[in-house]
Amino acid sequence: AQSVSQHNHHVILSEAASLELGCNYSYGGTVNLFWYVQYPGQHLQLLLKYFSGDPLVKGIKGFEAEFIKSKFSFNLRKPSVQWSDTAEYFCAVNADNQGGKLIFGQGTELSVKP
Amino acid sequence: GAGVSQSPSNKVTEKGKDVELRCDPISGHTALYWYRQRLGQGLEFLIYFQGNSAPDKSGLPSDRFSAERTGESVSTLTIQRTQQEDSAVYLCASSAGQGRVGSTEAFFGQGTRLTVV
Repeated sequence: AQSVSQHNHHVILSEAASLELGCNYSYGGTVNLFWYVQYPGQHLQLLLKYFSGDPLVKGIKGFEAEFIKSKFSFNLRKPSVQWSDTAEYFCAVNADNQGGKLIFGQGTELSVKP
Repeated sequence: GAGVSQSPSNKVTEKGKDVELRCDPISGHTALYWYRQRLGQGLEFLIYFQGNSAPDKSGLPSDRFSAERTGESVSTLTIQRTQQEDSAVYLCASSAGQGRVGSTEAFFGQGTRLTVV
């Protein structure tokens, strides 16, 4: 069955540190890939998405992610985090044989120390 | 409406009672999802509706769980004979579902926090 794995459960960084959150998926066919963010007390919102084309996608608030098909990965990066980036981050995958079904990873909690 | 709306926002129920959770998707969105988020865990897929197609119920954890959707509008998730392990936040999302299925952004509601005591 299709699955999504996020390697880090909780990441703690200081402001200005660089961030990379791992995401791997198990499906080998065509996929759409997403990163969602959930700020404290708020609902989930889309950070960025990949459908096709340039495997390096840029999202809001300086985030980017790179799709590496050979590694089944879609890691999220940000060169310099801010305290306001403290949130939970979810990777999600939709595979072309799953209709519109969107499968999420278990999430990574990011805490940024001021 | 402007976004996905879920009601109630909080629900406390006694073990063994039935509960019904409601989701109003964004108008015009053909796809609707239900997820469960237990404390400290990720989003667990429950069920997916796409237009008039048969729903994908593969994530429903037991036959105590069921969901319906009226056309392309409101959806209700029903949990019968609730158990303590059903305590979680239940999230609903909708997407336009146009063009390539699953290729559009899913918009989430604020969720219903269910507590079974």
